[in-house]
Amino acid sequence: EVQLVESGGGLLQPGGSLRLSCAASGFTFSNYWMSWVRQAPGEGLQWVANIKQDGTEEYYVDSVKGRFTISRDNAKNSLYLQMNSLRAEDTAVYYCARDRPRWGLEIFFDFWGPGTLVTVSS
Amino acid sequence: DIQMTQSPSSLSASVGDRVTITCRASQSISNFLNWYHQRPGKAPKLLIYAASSLQTGVPSRFSGSGSGTDFTLTISSLQPEDFATYYCQQSYSIPYSFGQGTKLEIK
Repeated sequence: EVQLVESGGGLLQPGGSLRLSCAASGFTFSNYWMSWVRQAPGEGLQWVANIKQDGTEEYYVDSVKGRFTISRDNAKNSLYLQMNSLRAEDTAVYYCARDRPRWGLEIFFDFWGPGTLVTVSS
Repeated sequence: DIQMTQSPSSLSASVGDRVTITCRASQSISNFLNWYHQRPGKAPKLLIYAASSLQTGVPSRFSGSGSGTDFTLTISSLQPEDFATYYCQQSYSIPYSFGQGTKLEIK
């Protein structure tokens, strides 16, 4: 059974830093792109970043470029999101999601974790 | 960046009704269009990928159609568990983007 479990969320002040983790199990982690998607309270979904199977390619939404860094450790079946210079508008539930496989042409998020809440407030 | 616009933003319907939600992209995205639904407090769930392909395990009452800029999600006969918020998402180009959501409520 595919499982994704995020951790590391919390309450912090503007300008602070936080590292989110996502533990993956039930599939061959190193075969898949992985994404982070966030949802501000009461709002819709926003794709944040993704990373290629071997970590050689990363992409970000403009609003987090230069502040957030996505990474992965295939030996630990783990995905990470390092968030620096946090702003109030980064307050959201952060989901990790399985992205496309190395052999896939279609791109979709077929499994999601339950999410972890990040609150940025003074 | 590609903008995704859903309509309606909210919808009231009854169990057994047929409902359709539309999604429009600001430029052509071929068939790189996915549909998800999300129940309160839960993670989104993939329903349809590549515009019309039913995700494994999703009931056949869900169907998707369209290509280019205009897409639809149809639920043929609403069930109680279908009352949720629905999102379309384009995977044609980065940054991947979602529609604003359609909240499907019980009439």
